[in-house]
Amino acid sequence: KAGVTQTPRYLIKTRGQQVTLSCSPISGHRSVSWYQQTPGQGLQFLFEYFSETQRNKGNFPGRFSGRQFSNSRSEMNVSTLELGDSALYLCASSRSDRGNEAFFGQGTRLTVV
Amino acid sequence: QKEVEQDPGPLSVPEGAIVSLNCTYSNSAFQYFMWYRQYSRKGPELLMYTYSSGNKEDGRFTAQVDKSSKYISLFIRDSQPSDSATYLCAMSPNAGGTSYGKLTFGQGTILTVHP
Repeated sequence: KAGVTQTPRYLIKTRGQQVTLSCSPISGHRSVSWYQQTPGQGLQFLFEYFSETQRNKGNFPGRFSGRQFSNSRSEMNVSTLELGDSALYLCASSRSDRGNEAFFGQGTRLTVV
Repeated sequence: QKEVEQDPGPLSVPEGAIVSLNCTYSNSAFQYFMWYRQYSRKGPELLMYTYSSGNKEDGRFTAQVDKSSKYISLFIRDSQPSDSATYLCAMSPNAGGTSYGKLTFGQGTILTVHP
């Protein structure tokens, strides 16, 4: 069974640009969550989607947004990139309705210059 | 104060040692407890998933949850150099709403097992 797949693995963007990251969950998983991981703050929750609906959102500015498609694949978008957005962005999927038994992808390493 | 506290280490042990990793938490609503292993430049890998108090064993790994003390542990027996990684504890409440999909993580403990 394939795991969580995230694309691309690496990205370099310039301040002010926007970026879209993609996540394909494990087959049959309907809950998809996104996290930002930095050395200083660790893993921080961005948002969670279930059956195309955002059920939960973390404390991030509105520049961070996401969506989920009918096949459970998810995308997250960051607009007007800032240097502080440089991080590893992780997607996790869960078979649990609560979305808490989470299986993570390899992440997308975003560098903003 | 953070909701989940985890000693970042680093922790260095010889091969074959028993490793004990711990987290404390302050939110009494936490009911689900997880341990993840993360290798450098990789995503976290789910090792153990437990509900409420008690012990759970899987091969060389044992997870313990003591809700009365708000304390969880992961024990690794017969540690191997391949166990060298960052270990993260994570928790979530047994509720919906603002809890859906949200895991609260510790900062992670860096473990090195040397031959």
